[in-house]
Amino acid sequence: KQEVTQIPAALSVPEGENLVLNCSFTDSAIYNLQWFRQDPGKGLTSLLLIQSSQREQTSGRLNASLDKSSGRSTLYIAASQPGDSATYLCAVLPQNQAGTALIFGKGTTLSVSS
Amino acid sequence: DADVTQTPRNRITKTGKRIMLECSQTKGHDRMYWYRQDPGLGLQLIYYSFDVKDINKGEISDGYSVSRQAQAKFSLSLESAIPNQTALYFCATSDHDLTGRLRNQPQHFGDGTRLSIL
Repeated sequence: KQEVTQIPAALSVPEGENLVLNCSFTDSAIYNLQWFRQDPGKGLTSLLLIQSSQREQTSGRLNASLDKSSGRSTLYIAASQPGDSATYLCAVLPQNQAGTALIFGKGTTLSVSS
Repeated sequence: DADVTQTPRNRITKTGKRIMLECSQTKGHDRMYWYRQDPGLGLQLIYYSFDVKDINKGEISDGYSVSRQAQAKFSLSLESAIPNQTALYFCATSDHDLTGRLRNQPQHFGDGTRLSIL
C-alpha cells in the first residue's frame, strides 16, 4: 500500500530564508506527484505537478524535484516571505489508475516570520 | 466564480441527523471525488465517481453514501451522523482524455465544508 510521509511536520523560518520541504513515498510506481498549498479555512491550491517521467518543475520561487527510484520529492522555496505561511501537502497518484485518487501526506506547516 | 463549489461551507448538527453535502463544478471534468481531512492527518478518500453511472468506494466509505446527479454534481450524504465524522470535507475533480487516460493536470479542489457533529 502506498504511503506518503512529509518531514518536518512544522517549520518556522525568518523571512528571506531559502527552505526545503521533504516528501517520501513507498511505491515508486506513480503517475505523477503534486504539491498543494492549504491556507486555514481554505481548500487546496495546486502549486506544482511533476509527471513520473520528469525530474523537476519550477514556478516562480518554487522548485519541486522528483526522484522516483529513491521515492523522494522536495519542494524548494526561495527567499521565503510571510505570505508563504501555510500548510504544504504532497500527494502521489498511483500508476495503477484503478483508484485514480491522490494519496496524501500529512503536510508540513510553514510559518515565515517578518 | 469558483470552478468547484461546495455547499454548505460550515454545518453544525446533532448526532443521528441526516446530512447532505453538495458539490458542483464548472470545469466539465468527468471524475469527481470526496475526501475527508482530520486535524494533523492527510486527506482520505471517501468515494469517487468516474461518471454518472460509475460510483466507487474509497478507503473510508463506511457511514457515507454518494449520488452523482449529473456530470457537474456530486453529493455526499451522512445517513446518521456520529461525532467522529466531524471533519473538513473536500470535493475534487479531474479530467481524462478520449482514450480514458488521466490528463496530467492537477486535481481541482473546492474550499471545503467544515462539519461538526455534536
